[in-house]
Amino acid sequence: DTAVSQTPKYLVTQMGNDKSIKCEQNLGHDTMYWYKQDSKKFLKIMFSYNNKELIINETVPNRFSPKSPDKAHLNLHINSLELGDSAVYFCASSHPRGGGGADTQYFGPGTRLTVL
Amino acid sequence: AQSVTQLDSQVPVFEEAPVELRCNYSSSVSVYLFWYVQYPNQGLQLLLKYLSGSTLVKGINGFEAEFNKSQTSFHLRKPSVHISDTAEYFCAVSERGGSYIPTFGRGTSLIVHP
Repeated sequence: DTAVSQTPKYLVTQMGNDKSIKCEQNLGHDTMYWYKQDSKKFLKIMFSYNNKELIINETVPNRFSPKSPDKAHLNLHINSLELGDSAVYFCASSHPRGGGGADTQYFGPGTRLTVL
Repeated sequence: AQSVTQLDSQVPVFEEAPVELRCNYSSSVSVYLFWYVQYPNQGLQLLLKYLSGSTLVKGINGFEAEFNKSQTSFHLRKPSVHISDTAEYFCAVSERGGSYIPTFGRGTSLIVHP
């Protein structure tokens, strides 16, 4: 069984379009994340979300928005796509207990977004 | 706030040779430390983590890492690498009692040659 799944795996689109990436986890975790990995493999946190709070990396443009229909899903919506949005986007989940980040993050397989 | 430095962007090594991937961190409080591995075209997965106790941590696939508080380091080692170890390796840190979101290093590409 796939723990964290993402769809689609590849996404090619034109500048200016709006697109969504879906993420689902079956681990029973209560916190989910979106990361962006650039062409140099640098991994940047975009959002962290649980049923209590949304933490947004302040450098993320407001064209990006997370949407969580329930605890097992965290989708990423991107409006007005730009060339610089081309990257691999990873969804992840964890189950923080007691704060302080001791828990393992479980990553999805990634979605390679190419904006033409 | 914490930070992580992976000193080598790329480490080439021959098969069956030992390898060390270096990681240094900076934090004003105690930390948790992690190594993740990313195989080509896949997501990251946990290799090992240090939470407390013994400073030598053993992980999957024969890897181990040693936490050195005085040198603020958490270097990853393997005594004999295989071709299949070719991957990107990420060191990560999170602060005890702080945000549960880890900070990742920029990654080290381990390239194992036959």
